[in-house]
Amino acid sequence: QKEVEQNSGPLSVPEGAIASLNCTYSDRVSQSFFWYRQYSGKSPELIMSIYSNGDKEDGRFTAQLNKASQYVSLLIRDSQPSDSATYLCAVKGIQGAQKLVFGQGTRLTINP
Amino acid sequence: DVKVTQSSRYLVKRTGEKVFLECVQDMDHENMFWYRQDPGLGLRLIYFSYDVKMKEKGDIPEGYSVSREKKERFSLILESASTNQTSMYLCASRGFGRGLNTGELFFGEGSRLTVL
Repeated sequence: QKEVEQNSGPLSVPEGAIASLNCTYSDRVSQSFFWYRQYSGKSPELIMSIYSNGDKEDGRFTAQLNKASQYVSLLIRDSQPSDSATYLCAVKGIQGAQKLVFGQGTRLTINP
Repeated sequence: DVKVTQSSRYLVKRTGEKVFLECVQDMDHENMFWYRQDPGLGLRLIYFSYDVKMKEKGDIPEGYSVSREKKERFSLILESASTNQTSMYLCASRGFGRGLNTGELFFGEGSRLTVL
């Protein structure tokens, strides 16, 4: 079992709809969770971080964390074509405090 | 503005050649990382360094070594390149100043290496 798993997609969502991206992780003691966005040909950039159970909202983005189920998700409301990218889930705390472990990424396409 | 600079965007090397990938950050960050990114596999950690002259193996260190002689520079070395090392290599840095819980890595633009 991979340490951090995501559905690789592609996930296709119409413009204006809600895009839902999911991630599961294997290490129950993980404490910190992050979503990175990566445009084609570019490097990843951090868009959301979450540390405690529940929801965290930032503009059109909402991160949801359920530690009991070892599950973290990212919701994008009012999806825009500019949201088309690969979204990487990352988890900190597995086998050491210094590094992040990334999922394989979900490719999201927003259709106008 | 935050800047992580990788010396080469595109490289083509032959099997058996020694390859150096250089990364420089201007943020006085303590932590630096080398990842490789392959389709369907995401980012996998090769090596990281939490201070000058300190290094730790990541998940896939075989076939690679690193050097950190100065705080701002972290080099990835392929002693004898092989075709299965064809990949996108991403350097990243992170400082302690933002707190240990932050996951904000600052990435360079990447170096796409092709080994023939």
